Amino acid sequence: QLLLQESGPGLVKPSETLSLTCTVSGDSISGTNYYWGWIRRPPGKGLEWIGSIYDSGSTYYSPSFKSRVTISVDTSENQFSLKLRSVTAADTATYYCARLGVAATGNWFAPWGQGTPVTVSS
Amino acid sequence: IQMTQSPPSLSASVGDRVTITCRASQSIATYLNWYQQRPGKAPKLLIYAASSLESGVPSRFGGSGTGTTFTLTISSLQPEDFATYYCQQSYSTAGITFGPGTKVEI
Repeated sequence: QLLLQESGPGLVKPSETLSLTCTVSGDSISGTNYYWGWIRRPPGKGLEWIGSIYDSGSTYYSPSFKSRVTISVDTSENQFSLKLRSVTAADTATYYCARLGVAATGNWFAPWGQGTPVTVSS
Repeated sequence: IQMTQSPPSLSASVGDRVTITCRASQSIATYLNWYQQRPGKAPKLLIYAASSLESGVPSRFGGSGTGTTFTLTISSLQPEDFATYYCQQSYSTAGITFGPGTKVEI
């Protein structure tokens, strides 16, 4: 069974960098036809796609985050990571990692990690 | 590509038939997925490619549509179905977007 688990600080100061890691267990992160992605849900709002990465390191970022986000992959640790720079209170959200299946019929996220809440506050 | 959903919320009873609509700002063929998110839980894939039921998802969930208009139907609402439902387009791997969500309440 494929499991994803987010980890990282639950509190980040404004203007600093938010760093999260997603650890994948139950299958290898590499050598499969999948991307791996980060999505967030701010309080009282809907889901926002942040970006996705392939095991080769190829990335796609949402235009809303492109100027301040980096997603990287560590295949030796079976992990991928998110760094979001210059955070503000608007970046307070629950952050999810998920596997992004890629097929001729589309791309979909499944499964998801349980999510980790991050608060931006001094 | 912008996604809209209607209604933003709805009230229904156990056993009701519920329909949620998702619209895309341009044609996305059938590159449309549906997710369910229960309070305090991670989203869960229900439907992919507009009408294909994800493994393990009850058959009371159904999806349809193509182009710009899509629907998610729950044929007989169950207590565990009270949740928020999101559509997501994947016309471009580089530009994934979600709809704003529809909250289904008792």
